[in-house]
Order: sequence, then structure tokens, then C-alpha cells
Amino acid sequence: LAKTTQPISMDSYEGQEVNITCSHNNIATNDYITWYQQFPSQGPRFIIQGYKTKVTNEVASLFIPADRKSSTLSLPRVSLSDTAVYYCLAFTGGGNKLTFGTGTQLKVEL
Amino acid sequence: GAVVSQHPSWVICKSGTSVKIECRSLDFQATTMFWYRQFPKQSLMLMATSNEGSKATYEQGVEKDKFLINHASLTLSTLTVTSAHPEDSSFYICSARAGNSGLANTDTQYFGPGTRLTVL
Repeated sequence: LAKTTQPISMDSYEGQEVNITCSHNNIATNDYITWYQQFPSQGPRFIIQGYKTKVTNEVASLFIPADRKSSTLSLPRVSLSDTAVYYCLAFTGGGNKLTFGTGTQLKVEL
Repeated sequence: GAVVSQHPSWVICKSGTSVKIECRSLDFQATTMFWYRQFPKQSLMLMATSNEGSKATYEQGVEKDKFLINHASLTLSTLTVTSAHPEDSSFYICSARAGNSGLANTDTQYFGPGTRLTVL
């Protein structure tokens, strides 16, 4: 059974680095892994996308091990405005099922 | 770039009526659009995948006669919830994918702002 799982919640403080891991144990061979941020009553907002190893953009880094069965979103220095739900998205089950992760509620405090 | 809009942003209707939700890609052509439903404090659940000019592919458990999807152009897809009932109340979100790379699974989905449907 294709599953994409994440920790339900994480707490952090401003200025800290936050790492959120997603397990996608049946990911399709040729598919990228994408991470999104969602605020309440809004559509998901694209953060970063990668296939393997490491990808970095202006807001985050994405680490993907060689087996690609997991991925880790790294937010370098979080602020209060980063409080949101973070989702990973990948094709699983041999590439024919688009699956959102279970979502991680990140709460950033002062 | 890569902006997706939805209309309306929220709608309240009576049980038994039909509601149409529009999804538009504003600055790119979307060969594929996706429709999701999200209940409170839950993840997004894919309802159907829509390719321009062809019939939508529905996920298991989603009634195609109840959730009518039309993708008539490269920038517009519509979802019509027919004979809506209170259990259809949810947050409906569309996404659009350009599909320019030739490797469909690698192309990024860009999401609309969502439509809050409340059926009384």
C-alpha cells in the first residue's frame, strides 16, 4: 500500500533550523518530490522540488537519500510567519497514484 | 508567474442545487489540471485528473456523475458539484501543471486559492 507519511506536528522557535521528513516508501522511479506550504483556508504554495541528493533555493533546502524512500525539507531560520502546515507530494504505487503526505503542522514561537 | 485562480472563493447553497467552480491558469497553459478536496485538519485528497480535451480520470470512490469536470481549454477547468448535500461541504482546491518538460511527473503543480463550499 502506497503511503506518504509525515510527523503530525513540530514546534520551534524563531531563528532555528527546522527539518521535516516525509516517508514515501513506494515512490515512482522517475517522479520528483515536491513540498508545499499551506496556511488556513488557502491553497498550497510551492516551496521546493527535487529528484535526488540536495536542492536549495532562496527559502529552503531539500535532502533526498539515494533510495528516495524519504525526503527532508529544511527551513534554515524560521520566523513566526512560517507557522503553517507543510506537505510533501509524490507519485507513489508505481507512478500511478498522486499522493499528498499527511501534513506537518509547524508552530513557530518567539 | 504560474498563477492559478479559482472562482468563487466561497459559496453557500441549498441542498439539492448544483454549484460550479472555475479554475484558471492565468499566465501559463495547463495541459493537466487536478481537483482536490480537503476536510478540516486533513490532507488534500485527489478527486480527479483532467487533461485538456479529454475526459477526466476519477479517483476510486469519487462519483463522476456527481462531480462533473470539464477541461475545455488549456487555461480553464470547471468542477460542478451536482445535487449538492451537506456532506459535500468542503474546501475544494484545483491545481494546474504546464507539462512542458516532456516528463509529466516532474512538472510542478501550482495551486489555486481554494473554494469553500457550504451546503445547507
